[in-house]
Amino acid sequence: DGGITQSPKYLFRKEGQNVTLSCEQNLNHDAMYWYRQDPGQGLRLIYYSQIVNDFQKGDIAEGYSVSREKKESFPLTVTSAQKNPTAFYLCASIKWVSEGEEDTEAFFGQGTRLTVV
Amino acid sequence: GDSVTQMEGPVTLSEEAFLTINCTYTATGYPSLFWYVQYPGEGLQLLLKATKADDKGSNKGFEATYRKETTSFHLEKGSVQVSDSAVYFCALPRSNDYKLSFGAGTTVTVRA
Repeated sequence: DGGITQSPKYLFRKEGQNVTLSCEQNLNHDAMYWYRQDPGQGLRLIYYSQIVNDFQKGDIAEGYSVSREKKESFPLTVTSAQKNPTAFYLCASIKWVSEGEEDTEAFFGQGTRLTVV
Repeated sequence: GDSVTQMEGPVTLSEEAFLTINCTYTATGYPSLFWYVQYPGEGLQLLLKATKADDKGSNKGFEATYRKETTSFHLEKGSVQVSDSAVYFCALPRSNDYKLSFGAGTTVTVRA
């Protein structure tokens, strides 16, 4: 069954700790994205990657880091430099349409809720 | 650049009422358009999509038609249920910068 898997579903972090959120996809999509969602808010882009070993900062990259060593995986690390990390984090993968292909696909994982304790 | 503008809520309805959530887009070409639904505590699920003008996407009783003349992709459901209570997002994939443009999201609450 194809899809995107985020883990864990809930994560608790102590002040000053780094934590890593996992995102894995088996859709064979080249592009992967991390978004942050705060209560009652929309989605804000943290980082994205179009291809293995390459990634770009989004709108709110400060305090976060990523890696893209495999096509299937795009982990997000929330570092101690992120001042307000408590939020809901969403991972997405996208197949961008190429000439001759039908249409763009964009799917999301189930999210990870990170709480600072 | 390409973007979507979505009617903001919140919207509160009674069961079996008609639901419309407005979404308009600005685009230089004819990108695909998506509606996502987010149930409490969950990620975004693709509800429906349309890939070209006059396409109608439909799923779970929801429909949206890609209208070029009004640059709109409004979401409609004829008879809502309590289980339709969720946040709905309109989205447009921007192929010029490989990002998704999202509407602000509309929170829908359906009361029994």
